[in-house]
Amino acid sequence: GAGVSQSPRYKVAKRGQDVALRCDPISGHVSLFWYQQALGQGPEFLTYFQNEAQLDKSGLPSDRFFAERPEGSVSTLKIQRTQQEDSAVYLCASSASSGDRDFGPGTRLTVL
Amino acid sequence: AQSVTQPDIHITVSEGASLELRCNYSYGATPYLFWYVQSPGQGLQLLLKYFSGDTLVQGIKGFEAEFKRSQSSFNLRKPSVHWSDAAEYFCAVVLTGGGNKLTFGTGTQLKVEL
Repeated sequence: GAGVSQSPRYKVAKRGQDVALRCDPISGHVSLFWYQQALGQGPEFLTYFQNEAQLDKSGLPSDRFFAERPEGSVSTLKIQRTQQEDSAVYLCASSASSGDRDFGPGTRLTVL
Repeated sequence: AQSVTQPDIHITVSEGASLELRCNYSYGATPYLFWYVQSPGQGLQLLLKYFSGDTLVQGIKGFEAEFKRSQSSFNLRKPSVHWSDAAEYFCAVVLTGGGNKLTFGTGTQLKVEL
C-alpha cells in the first residue's frame, strides 16, 4: 500500500519567506511525528500528534515553527520568516496506535 | 545528560566481511532500542527493535543486534556485508514511560568496498 508521502520533496526559500511542508500519513494511522534532520546529523524530534491533537511540541525550535493536523490526517509544518539555520531535511512519520513508525522520504529545505 | 552515542561516524568494510556498528545510551532506565537505515533519498527504514526479553534480536536484511545492559550498548551486526548495505545507520531510543519521543544518535555512514 501507499506509504507516507511528503511534498514538496525540495524547497528553496529566500531568507524571510514563509514555507509550508505537507505530510500525508498512511491512512488510519493515528500518530504523526515531525523531525528535523540537519546535514550530517540524526533526526531530531519536533512535534507529535495523536489524531488532531498536538500532544507534544517540545522540539519546535522557535515560535516561527508551527504544525497542524486539523482533521487528524494530513499535517502541515509551517515555518515563518525562514532563516539559514532552518535549512534541513524535514521528516514526517506516522504510526498506528501501538505500531512502528513509517517514515516519509522527507522535504529538503534550503534557505538562501 | 541523557543521550544516544554512535562513536563511529564513518566505517568502511569490504563486501563479504562482517560488520559491527556501535551504539551506547545513557539513561537511568533501559529504554526501548531501535536501529534504522537511511539510504540516499529514501525514508528511514526500521531494521530491528528491542523492548524486552531475548537480548539478541533478529532484524531484516540479515541484521541482528545484541542488548548488553552492563555496557548500556545495543550494537548492530551482520556476518557478511553486501554492497547494497552501504547507507547511513541510526541507533534510536524511546524512554520507557516517556511518551512517544524517538531520540536518534548522530548516525554511522557505512561504505562497502567491492
